[in-house]
Amino acid sequence: SQQGEEDPQALSIQEGENATMNCSYKTSINNLQWYRQNSGRGLVHLILIRSNEREKHSGRLRVTLDTSKKSSSLLITASRAADTASYFCATYTSGTYKYIFGTGTRLKVLA
Amino acid sequence: SQTIHQWPATLVQPVGSPLSLECTVEGTSNPNLYWYRQAAGRGLQLLFYSVGIGQISSEVPQNLSASRPQDRQFILSSKKLLLSDSGFYLCAWGVGGYNTDTQYFGPGTRLTVL
Repeated sequence: SQQGEEDPQALSIQEGENATMNCSYKTSINNLQWYRQNSGRGLVHLILIRSNEREKHSGRLRVTLDTSKKSSSLLITASRAADTASYFCATYTSGTYKYIFGTGTRLKVLA
Repeated sequence: SQTIHQWPATLVQPVGSPLSLECTVEGTSNPNLYWYRQAAGRGLQLLFYSVGIGQISSEVPQNLSASRPQDRQFILSSKKLLLSDSGFYLCAWGVGGYNTDTQYFGPGTRLTVL
């Protein structure tokens, strides 16, 4: 079953704007990851944040994690048309060997 | 560097026919291996995972099965396909062990059952 819920389900912005998407989950985790999926392709890992971290940056990506609220957000700054894709969060709990994926946010960046 | 292969890329099969999808990983040893299915416009549903040769854990009771005959080979099978088996099938691997982190995905197989 899906643990993560993401919102919004779809987001349309202009090139150059920032895009924020959120992920909520239900159980204790060891890490949370964000992936990107271009249409008809496999998923690509973007960034991982561990349960003892609150914020992490990678290029134009900023991820936050609030374990008390069981939520995470992904911010893409200065978006580009090439950022158009679906974005998924996934949580991992040690010993389960399983990744639980959210429902995804479809981002469309208009040139 | 590590590489993951999946084939075929697309497949159209009649209802009731068998299925065999293959996934192989190169450049790593003893990976954790995963099969997911993704319905159109939806998230990923974990079907099977394996932490070692011959070891398979099933997440969804259905007419699909998985096997891991070699360390870096993962096969998804069905004896008789249903219409509901249509979807995008993704294989993935993660570093083996208790505290595995990132998953790496193959290019996927688009299966259409008619």
